[in-house]
Parts: sequence; C-alpha cells; structure tokens
Amino acid sequence: DIVMTQSPDSLAVSLGERATINCKSSQNLLFRSTNKNYLGWYQQKPGQPPKLLMYWASTRESGVPDRFSGSGSGTDFTLTISSLQAEDVAVYYCQQYYSSPFTFGPGTKVDIK
Amino acid sequence: EVQLLESGGDLVQPGGSLRLSCAASGFTLNRYAMSWVRQAPGRGLEWVSGISNSGDTTYDADSVKGRFTISRDNSRNTLYLQMNSLRAEDTAVYYCAKGDGTTGYYPLDYWGQGTLVTVSS
Repeated sequence: DIVMTQSPDSLAVSLGERATINCKSSQNLLFRSTNKNYLGWYQQKPGQPPKLLMYWASTRESGVPDRFSGSGSGTDFTLTISSLQAEDVAVYYCQQYYSSPFTFGPGTKVDIK
Repeated sequence: EVQLLESGGDLVQPGGSLRLSCAASGFTLNRYAMSWVRQAPGRGLEWVSGISNSGDTTYDADSVKGRFTISRDNSRNTLYLQMNSLRAEDTAVYYCAKGDGTTGYYPLDYWGQGTLVTVSS
C-alpha cells in the first residue's frame, strides 16, 4: 500500500500570509502514459464533509479561489495558500488515487495566528 | 445539482451487520465510480471501498477486506456498503463520494454529509 505523510501536523499563519503544506508519498504517483500525478488535495472544515480543492496535483477544482495552488511531482507535493483568509481555517488532506487502496494523508490543521 | 444522501447508520453490537445506502441525484450515476470514505471521531479520513461505474470492479482497504462489500444499483441511483463482522474500530462517520471518472483512479469531487455508525455493546 502507498503510505501518505504530511507536514507539518498543524500550522498557524497570520491573515494575509502564506501557508504551505507538504505531502509525501511512499511511491511515485506520476503515471507515465498520462503524464499526470494521481494526487488530490481536500479541505475539511469543522462539521462539514471534505471538499476537493486540487486534483492531478496542480489543477484547481472549479470555484476554488486562485490563492490555492498545488505543485510537485513523483513523491513530493505541496499545497500553498498564498494569502490566508479566515475562511481557510480547516484541515487539509492529500490523497493518492494512483493505486488501490486510495490512501489519504493524516491531515494538516491550519489556524489563524 | 449533485446530491449524495447517505442513510443506514446506527448503533450496532460488535460482530453485527449493517447496510449503508447512498442515494445519488443530479448526475448520471452509471457514468461514475463511487467510493466510501470514513472518519472516526476526532480522526482523519480513511478511504474504505470503491466501485467502478458499471460495478465490474471493486476496490477495498485492507482493514475491511472480507468484511465489507460495496455494490451499486444504477437503476435505483443508489450505492451500498454491506458491513459484516463489525468491530469497535469501525465506529465512524461514513461518507459516500463521487469519483470524477469511471474507475477508482480519479479524485472524489462530490461528497455526502455522512452517516454515523457506532459499534458498541
């Protein structure tokens, strides 16, 4: 099984500042024939179901603000919030859909400093 | 508008069984793979099971293999999760999620609100 790890476990950032979340997979997530990284990012606010933010590592889901961006390839990925807003307080998860079981990372909690 | 409505969560004794349902609307169910993802109280997300659009292929986490069975009835626009031999560690909110493609190799783009399963004596 592919193991997903995230760092840090939590972070507190001032409003308007940058937040960076890292995700690492135990195996390569870049599929050669499609040249895509099978990696998604989800946001979960308290009491709500998760919401898809990014897919194929760097494609923003429709309606997601452009302050969210994804990068990385292979085994190392990053979700960046360029200018943190109050409504971005949430737990963020990465997930690989390269091979079953389609595992999630443990999550990173983002708060306001 | 895509809607996913889970039902069937309940309090059940260890060793017992339960069947969850997920009613889908706002999209053509037979074009998309579906998954179940669970979240134990205060914990992170755990992907549980997935099924291709036609139902021909299923995918399972090791933790539920041989105990849980995912299925779908596209004519009824409904996804199911049959859970047998339940354990305390299966206690969680179970989410139904729509895949963005026909197989499990796509992100999960819509999620239901979840249904709570509690396994306790």
